[in-house]
Amino acid sequence: GAVVSQHPSRVICKSGTSVKIECRSLDFQATTMFWYRQFPKKSLMLMATSNEGSKATYEQGVEKDKFLINHASLTLSTLTVTSAHPEDSSFYICSASYSTLRGKNTEAFFGQGTRLTVV
Amino acid sequence: EDQVTQSPEALRLQEGESSSLNCSYTVSGLRGLFWYRQDPGKGPEFLFTLYSAGEEKEKERLKATLTKKESFLHITAPKPEDSATYLCAVRHEAGNNRKLIWGLGTSLAVNP
Repeated sequence: GAVVSQHPSRVICKSGTSVKIECRSLDFQATTMFWYRQFPKKSLMLMATSNEGSKATYEQGVEKDKFLINHASLTLSTLTVTSAHPEDSSFYICSASYSTLRGKNTEAFFGQGTRLTVV
Repeated sequence: EDQVTQSPEALRLQEGESSSLNCSYTVSGLRGLFWYRQDPGKGPEFLFTLYSAGEEKEKERLKATLTKKESFLHITAPKPEDSATYLCAVRHEAGNNRKLIWGLGTSLAVNP
């Protein structure tokens, strides 16, 4: 089946530093990748959608300069949290999907998530 | 406004006690309804995709059904390992927008 690998699973960083999270599709080429943020006991909040080779589309209220997304290839997308602050502490999850031969977009396959703690 | 509502918010069952989770949706141009399972501290795990009213899919103790307004996830004779949060999402495509609209989930606890 389609596997998405997200790294690291946990990271603790100091306030003011930047953190990069990687999302890789291991056995398929992801035409679209999504980045989510999840608060405790809450559902998924979409941050941005990215397509390979083009700029990410950010959801309303998400700061582009703070959450940098790069979708450099069909198998890799990165989310960089710049100048992190304690309020950025959260669970970040990526997902990826691909287009079938009929042009239909598949279901989204999720990474294992990254628990970011900013101290 | 496009919306997905899941109920109940939380459900506690005894092992073997069958039940159903509900996902109601109001979207224009449904392009798929998805069920996921999420364990604490993990990313969601894909379960089912349903595309048209009347469609049903099964996997072990789970069965998902779809109507024009809602979907049900039936759990037959659940086991403690079925305890998790079950998330429902719908896709509607407007142009190149392929994002999902998510419900808040149902937290299921199955007691042995």
